[in-house]
Amino acid sequence: DGGITQSPKYLFRKEGQNVTLSCEQNLNHDAMYWYRQDPGQGLRLIYYSQIVNDFQKGDIAEGYSVSREKKESFPLTVTSAQKNPTAFYLCASSPGLAGYRDTQYFGPGTRLTVL
Amino acid sequence: AQSVAQPEDQVNVAEGNPLTVKCTYSVSGNPYLFWYVQYPNRGLQFLLKYITGDNLVKGSYGFEAEFNKSQTSFHLKKPSALVSDSALYFCAVRDRRAAGNKLTFGGGTRVLVKP
Repeated sequence: DGGITQSPKYLFRKEGQNVTLSCEQNLNHDAMYWYRQDPGQGLRLIYYSQIVNDFQKGDIAEGYSVSREKKESFPLTVTSAQKNPTAFYLCASSPGLAGYRDTQYFGPGTRLTVL
Repeated sequence: AQSVAQPEDQVNVAEGNPLTVKCTYSVSGNPYLFWYVQYPNRGLQFLLKYITGDNLVKGSYGFEAEFNKSQTSFHLKKPSALVSDSALYFCAVRDRRAAGNKLTFGGGTRVLVKP
């Protein structure tokens, strides 16, 4: 898990509430990513950011929002518009300098449960 | 478009026997291939990657993978499995032209190594 931290480890949310998941990295990486993991479905990309103050939608961005105000931080907000938010959320980062050769490194994850 | 398939949901192997986890891919250009391992309730750990060059790639913890362009495969192997290798393994692919250096993950293969 290296220099990528995610908090909290477990998060419980009531329906209709927005929640924010934290992701911080001290690797001086330019690029950061958010994935959602559901059983048997592998990882699906929610949002990614290649530089500060810029981010792009991934495959399943609906109901989520992000910001990238600092290089080391990429918080994810799960809004009430996300219909099925219960999942394991993984943050990753990569140097961003090697382009397609880049390796993504992952944080320990946050398990979100909607009550 | 890029995609990856892991045809086996689970692989069972006795400790000390060879371990193989299968992965096939589809990309429109040159593939860049990755293997990750995930232990329960943890993030993904990078094992190895193929970018170019030698078709046999050696990685962490004694794992290796063989890139086969004609069969569009990138199978993960370990000559002698350990009980501690029991985990969830993910193959991922990137097309050189993928926007944001996006990775596409397979659904994962659970490996169970029995003593």
